[in-house]
Amino acid sequence: NAGVTQTPKFQVLKTGQSMTLQCAQDMNHNSMYWYRQDPGMGLRLIYYSASEGTTDKGEVPNGYNVSRLNKREFSLRLESAAPSQTSVYFCASSRNTFDGVKTDTQYFGPGTRLTVL
Amino acid sequence: DQQVKQNSPSLSVQEGRISILNCDYTNSMFDYFLWYKKYPAEGPTFLISISSIKDKNEDGRFTVFLNKSAKHLSLHIVPSQPGDSAVYFCAANPYNTDKLIFGTGTRLQVFP
Repeated sequence: NAGVTQTPKFQVLKTGQSMTLQCAQDMNHNSMYWYRQDPGMGLRLIYYSASEGTTDKGEVPNGYNVSRLNKREFSLRLESAAPSQTSVYFCASSRNTFDGVKTDTQYFGPGTRLTVL
Repeated sequence: DQQVKQNSPSLSVQEGRISILNCDYTNSMFDYFLWYKKYPAEGPTFLISISSIKDKNEDGRFTVFLNKSAKHLSLHIVPSQPGDSAVYFCAANPYNTDKLIFGTGTRLQVFP
């Protein structure tokens, strides 16, 4: 099992350019997440998908769109990149079947380092 | 408003001694707490968790303590090893969602 994979690993964009970050998981997980990590800020949730066909905003959704293409794949799109979107982006997935006592955790991909000039 | 706080950005500990990482939270709706470990250029990996119905959970060298009245949890690593050098994130899960709220992280350095 590869777990959670992300492409690309690195990307440099100019202000105003668009791009899509790809994420896939092979653990048959229901939920998927996109985070960004900035120095001194921890990980902040951008969007998440509780199940195939559903998406919802997280803490910092402005400037981003997402697509839950199927159960395996969850993509993050920047329509018009801005320097403030320079960050490391992490995708995560979790089983998310709550049956009384929580034991679930999120599994993270290796990240995409994005620089917007 | 930071709901999960890790007030120590860094911690330096000698190999073999105990490392104690702290985390405070403000939201009473959190009922599940996790610690993640992150090496440079890698994604965070799950380390240990604790439900709000417990006050302690142990897994090998790692123990997490939860003090609900103080809204405080801590991660103890005994004995610390150089391979433990990483950034540690505390995370909390509200009872009615599957989202996680992360702290800002503590960088642990274990020196020989």
